[in-house]
Amino acid sequence: DQQVKQNSPSLSVQEGRISILNCDYTNSMFDYFLWYKKYPAEGPTFLISISSIKDKNEDGRFTVFLNKSAKHLSLHIVPSQPGDSAVYFCAASAENSGGSNYKLTFGKGTLLTVNP
Amino acid sequence: DTGVSQDPRHKITKRGQNVTFRCDPISEHNRLYWYRQTLGQGPEFLTYFQNEAQLEKSRLLSDRFSAERPKGSFSTLEIQRTEQGDSAMYLCASSALSPSVSTDTQYFGPGTRLTVL
Repeated sequence: DQQVKQNSPSLSVQEGRISILNCDYTNSMFDYFLWYKKYPAEGPTFLISISSIKDKNEDGRFTVFLNKSAKHLSLHIVPSQPGDSAVYFCAASAENSGGSNYKLTFGKGTLLTVNP
Repeated sequence: DTGVSQDPRHKITKRGQNVTFRCDPISEHNRLYWYRQTLGQGPEFLTYFQNEAQLEKSRLLSDRFSAERPKGSFSTLEIQRTEQGDSAMYLCASSALSPSVSTDTQYFGPGTRLTVL
């Protein structure tokens, strides 16, 4: 049962344009969402996160949008650069009985290729 | 501030052998996590520690797997009697949970790539 879904295995974008990566989730208990970037043979690198009390969070070229009613989030990268080429993972967590979030549930990832 | 480190980066072993991996978290991070990633999949949660206490283990963690964090600092993950299905990338992550922060941003190490022949 895939609770976090990234339905696009790959995305190709021209340098300077906007990249939009999408993620859907099914577990309504998820209340914290993160995006990670991963290069081959390396561990995931944290990019940006958003709490369920917000609908938008921005950090430089990266913006994450959360639509709770649709159980959908997206990562916008503007402008896209060739160095952004990597696999992007969406992850989510739920608050546990102790009142804090912990384990992450990941999607399968989207391979972003930014062409010069 | 150094990041999460893992050792070894690569391990090739024969089926039936035991292997042990080490993870050194970011200093003063009180939470430590182990995940496993196979080809074409996202990382899957295995277990986590808060300080030295192991608070949850996934059903993915069979009896052949054991993890420890004896002094609340580094952690080890041991796999006994390895099987070919254990071949994967084993990722360690750490985070700092404080009374004022309930959300948990985890920072990952480079991973240990295990190949079981």
